Amino acid sequence: DGGITQSPKYLFRKEGQNVTLSCEQNLNHDAMYWYRQDPGQGLRLIYYSQIVNDFQKGDIAEGYSVSREKKESFPLTVTSAQKNPTAFYLCASTGERNQPQHFGDGTRLSIL
Amino acid sequence: KQEVTQIPAALSVPEGENLVLNCSFTDSAIYNLQWFRQDPGKGLTSLLLIQSSQREQTSGRLNASLDKSSGRSTLYIAASQPGDSATYLCAVQDDYKLSFGAGTTVTVRA
Repeated sequence: DGGITQSPKYLFRKEGQNVTLSCEQNLNHDAMYWYRQDPGQGLRLIYYSQIVNDFQKGDIAEGYSVSREKKESFPLTVTSAQKNPTAFYLCASTGERNQPQHFGDGTRLSIL
Repeated sequence: KQEVTQIPAALSVPEGENLVLNCSFTDSAIYNLQWFRQDPGKGLTSLLLIQSSQREQTSGRLNASLDKSSGRSTLYIAASQPGDSATYLCAVQDDYKLSFGAGTTVTVRA
């Protein structure tokens, strides 16, 4: 079954620590996205990548970093510079521009 | 910057009633509009995608309309069931980026 796998499901971050969220897809999609969702708010775009070894900042990229070394993988690092990291993080992918985005089940990040 | 608004924020209806969910957006230069469903603690599931050149799209009990010139879309769910209880989000696509509304949380009472 094709889909997007996000891990871990829950993650806790200590003060001053960087943490990395994993996103893997087997849909053969070129474009991948990272979103942040806060309670009562819509999804906000953090970073996106249209092709391997290339990515662009979204609306709220500060305090986050990404890499796209393989087509299947688009990990997100939440750095210590992100002062309010507690949120639900969603990864998505799409093949063609006019196709719906497919989403993973998310990672919930909390501060210890 | 594209702003997407969904009204109401929450809705509770008895089983069997039709649901009407509204979405408005500020910039009509969109590529498409998408409706998603989100269950608690889960990711989003795509329901319908309406191309900017289309007026509506249907799938089973779901029908979505698009009026690009007025910046509005409406999602209709016929004969609601308790299993329709979820949060429904609309999103507009500009090039490769989606801008989301905050969603409408629907509760269908048995």
